[in-house]
Amino acid sequence: AQSVTQPDIHITVSEGASLELRCNYSYGATPYLFWYVQSPGQGLQLLLKYFSGDTLVQGIKGFEAEFKRSQSSFNLRKPSVHWSDAAEYFCAVGAIDDYKLSFGAGTTVTVRA
Amino acid sequence: NAGVTQTPKFQVLKTGQSMTLQCAQDMNHEYMSWYRQDPGMGLRLIHYSVGAGITDQGEVPNGYNVSRSTTEDFPLRLLSAAPSQTSVYFCASAERGAALHFGNGTRLTVT
Repeated sequence: AQSVTQPDIHITVSEGASLELRCNYSYGATPYLFWYVQSPGQGLQLLLKYFSGDTLVQGIKGFEAEFKRSQSSFNLRKPSVHWSDAAEYFCAVGAIDDYKLSFGAGTTVTVRA
Repeated sequence: NAGVTQTPKFQVLKTGQSMTLQCAQDMNHEYMSWYRQDPGMGLRLIHYSVGAGITDQGEVPNGYNVSRSTTEDFPLRLLSAAPSQTSVYFCASAERGAALHFGNGTRLTVT
């Protein structure tokens, strides 16, 4: 069975500081990994995805994520956060052409001035 | 393109009532799905469809029905609403090999 763990429920970061959100997954085959962001009252927007190739993936809004197979991790990073990055972030895992994604519980990011 | 459109945005039901949450996409995506989002639990898959006329159950299908008569539409039916179905519901679609596109959600309260 596939599953995703996001160990941090809530993270507070100062504007301009770096951000790292952790994601650990359990999956029996080659995983298809995603990070989505959800602003209050909105749907989920895709930040980036990984299926194969370079293990460092660039996404939108200045985010990047690194796939580490040996650690079953897919952590999301941003070098310098902006107040507009305050949102809830979800990591998800699935298989290519099998769209039954499993989502983590989410990490809420608060940005302080 | 409107993307994935969900209606209504908000709904309040009494226990035992029925209703249909609407979902439409204009991207000609083969795959569509319904998720529910509850605090601290992320999103859980209710039902999904890989094409018109084909549907299957996800992780939490009990109490919900779906049908897929056209590529564009994928309604979710609650036959007899229960308080445990109070949640935010998201519809999503995808083309082959691509990521899910999500609608803006329907917030449902069952009293």
